[in-house]
Amino acid sequence: RKEVEQDPGPFNVPEGATVAFNCTYSNSASQSFFWYRQDCRKEPKLLMSVYSSGNEDGRFTAQLNRASQYISLLIRDSKLSDSATYLCVVRGIKLIFGTGTLLAVQP
Amino acid sequence: DTEVTQTPKHLVMGMTNKKSLKCEQHMGHRAMYWYKQKAKKPPELMFVYSYEKLSINESVPSRFSPECPNSSLLNLHLHALQPEDSALYLCASSQGGASGWGNQPQHFGDGTRLSIL
Repeated sequence: RKEVEQDPGPFNVPEGATVAFNCTYSNSASQSFFWYRQDCRKEPKLLMSVYSSGNEDGRFTAQLNRASQYISLLIRDSKLSDSATYLCVVRGIKLIFGTGTLLAVQP
Repeated sequence: DTEVTQTPKHLVMGMTNKKSLKCEQHMGHRAMYWYKQKAKKPPELMFVYSYEKLSINESVPSRFSPECPNSSLLNLHLHALQPEDSALYLCASSQGGASGWGNQPQHFGDGTRLSIL
């Protein structure tokens, strides 16, 4: 089992749709969790940290489920500019990036 | 604009060359990272410096040699690289502190695209 797993997608959704990504991790002692987005041939950029109580930033909501060892990202009212690869990052003993989920928002 | 600056943006080198990648940040971050990213793959952690000391070496071959001259600079010295080392090399930084490296969000530079002939 990979230490951090994501559905690679692609997720093809129309503008305005709500889309959710999950990420599972294997190390129950993991401490910190993040979502990054990466555009093609660009560097990863922090989207949001993920807190135990869940957190929201505009159209984006992140949640952590420690019991089931997964984190999620919900994007509401998708925009064309949301098209990117979304990477979950987990800090346990190591710092591991998931393989990323490709989102393509269609007009 | 990224707050982590990497130079050069592109580098083409032969297998016998010696070159260096440079990374600079002025955010007062005390943890700095080198990653390697191949096409359509996630970044893979190579090295972590925390308070200018090497904290993590993810079994990286010795042909890659990191250096942290001060809290703002991070170098990656390259020597006798192989064609499979061609990749995007990303530098990142984050706050350090008692919570340790990796527990704070990282800011990435826009990378050096390296090609080995």
